[in-house]
Amino acid sequence: GAGVSQSPRYKVAKRGQDVALRCDPISGHVSLFWYQQALGQGPEFLTYFQNEAQLDKSGLPSDRFFAERPEGSVSTLKIQRTQQEDSAVYLCASSLALSGLAGGRNEQFFGPGTRLTVL
Amino acid sequence: GENVEQHPSTLSVQEGDSAVIKCTYSDSASNYFPWYKQELGKGPQLIIDIRSNVGEKKDQRIAVTLNKTAKHFSLHITETQPEDSAVYFCAARNTNAGKSTFGDGTTLTVKP
Repeated sequence: GAGVSQSPRYKVAKRGQDVALRCDPISGHVSLFWYQQALGQGPEFLTYFQNEAQLDKSGLPSDRFFAERPEGSVSTLKIQRTQQEDSAVYLCASSLALSGLAGGRNEQFFGPGTRLTVL
Repeated sequence: GENVEQHPSTLSVQEGDSAVIKCTYSDSASNYFPWYKQELGKGPQLIIDIRSNVGEKKDQRIAVTLNKTAKHFSLHITETQPEDSAVYFCAARNTNAGKSTFGDGTTLTVKP
């Protein structure tokens, strides 16, 4: 299909391991967002890209979290030295519009998420 | 920053009844308010959205109302069906800033 895809769908890591989560946005979508969703909670913003530029990383909980989108398409969220509190579903979303563009399409399309469990 | 509160956290209705979920937001700069439906094991899916220059929007059995003065917005589902059972999230966003702030969700159960 033409939706947002994420891989892997499930990841189990031992505490201290590094993980990399991948997001393939909808083709042509300019904006890409990462969110963290703890069990029973709403998604919480992590970071946001417009093309390859990371415009907002205010939601990243620590310097162990790093995201990149080098060619303005696929994005990777990397977590170093994972901790148990990192266990959550990591959601990626993409949007057609540039933020701030008057009349632009603001709808965010979400992927299925990656469920990360840190033991 | 923005803070979104959502009520109730759980809602159980009989098939055919209406369901109403309410949200409040704190940042007057927010100008876009989407509602999402999330089913188990899936990502949130947009079901309806409203912009700050509109007071009400309807799409078949789903409607959303926005009161900018009071900073609250509501989702209304009429003639509920068992397949409407899911977790629903409201969100608020300043489209100049990019990120969305979500409520904590409402688990809706529609009993046949």
